[in-house]
Amino acid sequence: GIQVEQSPPDLILQEGANSTLRCNFSDSVNNLQWFHQNPWGQLINLFYIPSGTKQNGRLSATTVATERYSLLYISSSQTTDSGVYFCAVSMEYGNKLVFGAGTILRVKS
Amino acid sequence: NAGVTQTPKFRILKIGQSMTLQCAQDMNHNYMYWYRQDPGMGLKLIYYSVGAGITDKGEVPNGYNVSRSTTEDFPLRLELAAPSQTSVYFCASSYPGGDQPQHFGDGTRLSIL
Repeated sequence: GIQVEQSPPDLILQEGANSTLRCNFSDSVNNLQWFHQNPWGQLINLFYIPSGTKQNGRLSATTVATERYSLLYISSSQTTDSGVYFCAVSMEYGNKLVFGAGTILRVKS
Repeated sequence: NAGVTQTPKFRILKIGQSMTLQCAQDMNHNYMYWYRQDPGMGLKLIYYSVGAGITDKGEVPNGYNVSRSTTEDFPLRLELAAPSQTSVYFCASSYPGGDQPQHFGDGTRLSIL
């Protein structure tokens, strides 16, 4: 099956810093989503981005489908950005997502 | 707008007991999914459904059963609970098609002792 690798596994930032999270996937996909899991365990859909670039406030994402990777940019990080960021992809009928292991982000004040 | 609602939020079971995790969505989504998340890991798909009366296995279906009698509800049944099923369970839903964003419930934290 498709493999999803996220890097880095762990990231510690000072408040106000910028960061880039990466997601590599091993095959062509028709669906790629970025999620933020907050410290209470809730999964929040950040972007649906199988290709191209999107921006939402301080967050933006770019997927280069032909090279099989996606990047999530966080600018001017805040303590509320802390949590785990997951990339998930699907290449099959039925929209069955395969998740990466996540990047744990800690933002310190 | 409730979205995806999961009940209960927490549950402790004894080995060998059975229970049903409930999931309901009010967005008229045809597709529904059950995932489990083990500590420090990403989510893994247990079962999914593309419409009422249609279900199929995901990556880790052993020890679980599902049914889909209505568009709104997608319960997950655990028979003969085992310690390996201790996990956080997430239900999700989406519109039809392999290119739609999924919306998740808040999860059910299940411990089996």
